[in-house]
Amino acid sequence: QKEVEQDPGPLSVPEGAIVSLNCTYSNSAFQYFMWYRQYSRKGPELLMYTYSSGNKEDGRFTAQVDKSSKYISLFIRDSQPSDSATYLCAMSISGGYNKLIFGAGTRLAVHP
Amino acid sequence: GAGVSQSPRYKVAKRGQDVALRCDPISGHVSLFWYQQALGQGPEFLTYFQNEAQLDKSGLPSDRFFAERPEGSVSTLKIQRTQQEDSAVYLCASSSTGGSYEQYFGPGTRLTVT
Repeated sequence: QKEVEQDPGPLSVPEGAIVSLNCTYSNSAFQYFMWYRQYSRKGPELLMYTYSSGNKEDGRFTAQVDKSSKYISLFIRDSQPSDSATYLCAMSISGGYNKLIFGAGTRLAVHP
Repeated sequence: GAGVSQSPRYKVAKRGQDVALRCDPISGHVSLFWYQQALGQGPEFLTYFQNEAQLDKSGLPSDRFFAERPEGSVSTLKIQRTQQEDSAVYLCASSSTGGSYEQYFGPGTRLTVT
């Protein structure tokens, strides 16, 4: 079993929908939680970062971390066709350097 | 400003050939990471450099994989005697410090071994 599990989708939603993306993990030592967006044939780019538990909001994006359940979520409000991409969750253990452990990624398509 | 660049963007190698993949990190970034991304999967950690020191190579799949960063800037990932299972996108990322959560990724090199 992988340390980080993520449903690969694909997920297809109409423009304007609220999108919910999720990951579960098994290693309780993870302290840093990130969401990356990856467009086709591009490298991942950081969207959201959360340290430990809690919520974080940035524009149309909200990241949630529930360490008791080992579950993290990313919500996208008012989704746009330009949000169509693969969303990767990533985690790391605090201290030293941030060796990222990624989920498999969820492919999202937002259609007009 | 310039981001992380990688070359070549695409590489086709015959099984058994050696390949070298180059990464130019953001200027001044101390930390450099290599990841391997198989089709339909998330990136997997290969190795980590702090300046010229390779501090972690626990993710390198076999002794055919070798990475270096001799002057603490440009890095090269070398794969000897390539196998079909080496086919993947190889991503390089840099960050200002090792502890920084923000890693900036390059576009990757897509390696296809035939």
